[in-house]
Amino acid sequence: RKEVEQDPGPFNVPEGATVAFNCTYSNSASQSFFWYRQDCRKEPKLLMSVYSSGNEDGRFTAQLNRASQYISLLIRDSKLSDSATYLCVVKGGFTGGGNKLTFGTGTQLKVEL
Amino acid sequence: NAGVMQNPRHLVRRRGQEARLRCSPMKGHSHVYWYRQLPEEGLKFMVYLQKENIIDESGMPKERFSAEFPKEGPSILRIQQVVRGDSAAYFCASSQGQGQTEAFFGQGTRLTVV
Repeated sequence: RKEVEQDPGPFNVPEGATVAFNCTYSNSASQSFFWYRQDCRKEPKLLMSVYSSGNEDGRFTAQLNRASQYISLLIRDSKLSDSATYLCVVKGGFTGGGNKLTFGTGTQLKVEL
Repeated sequence: NAGVMQNPRHLVRRRGQEARLRCSPMKGHSHVYWYRQLPEEGLKFMVYLQKENIIDESGMPKERFSAEFPKEGPSILRIQQVVRGDSAAYFCASSQGQGQTEAFFGQGTRLTVV
């Protein structure tokens, strides 16, 4: 089983749609969770941290289910500019102690007119 | 407060030469991560370092690759005797380390081996 697993997509959605991405992680000792966004040939950029109680930032909502080892990202009212690859990131719990960042392979989103 | 700085942005090397990639973390960050990304592929972890220590190098190829993060100066990823398969984007990220602290990426070094 992969340490961090994501559906690669692509998810093709019309502008204004709501889309949800899921991510599972293998190690229950993992401590911190993040979503990053990567545009083509650019560096990954932090989108949001994921907190146990769930958190929202504008059109973006992140949730964590520690019991199921599952993280989600919901994007409402999607925009053309949301088209990118979304990376699920898990910190800690794997080899390398508590601070190693492990990335999923990413889910590609394409928002269309 | 400058972000994570990587240089050079683009590097061309002939087969058999050495490549040195540099990463200066954000101010106050003592943890550095190196990742490699091949075209159309995901980020692959290479190595995780704290000042003067390699914490996890489980993603580093056994030969030709080495990394350091000295007490003073940037972190260096060194690739000896480069081959065409080393052509990739190499990203560096830094963080403060503990807990729910985010990591920030540099713009990457694109290595092309000809």
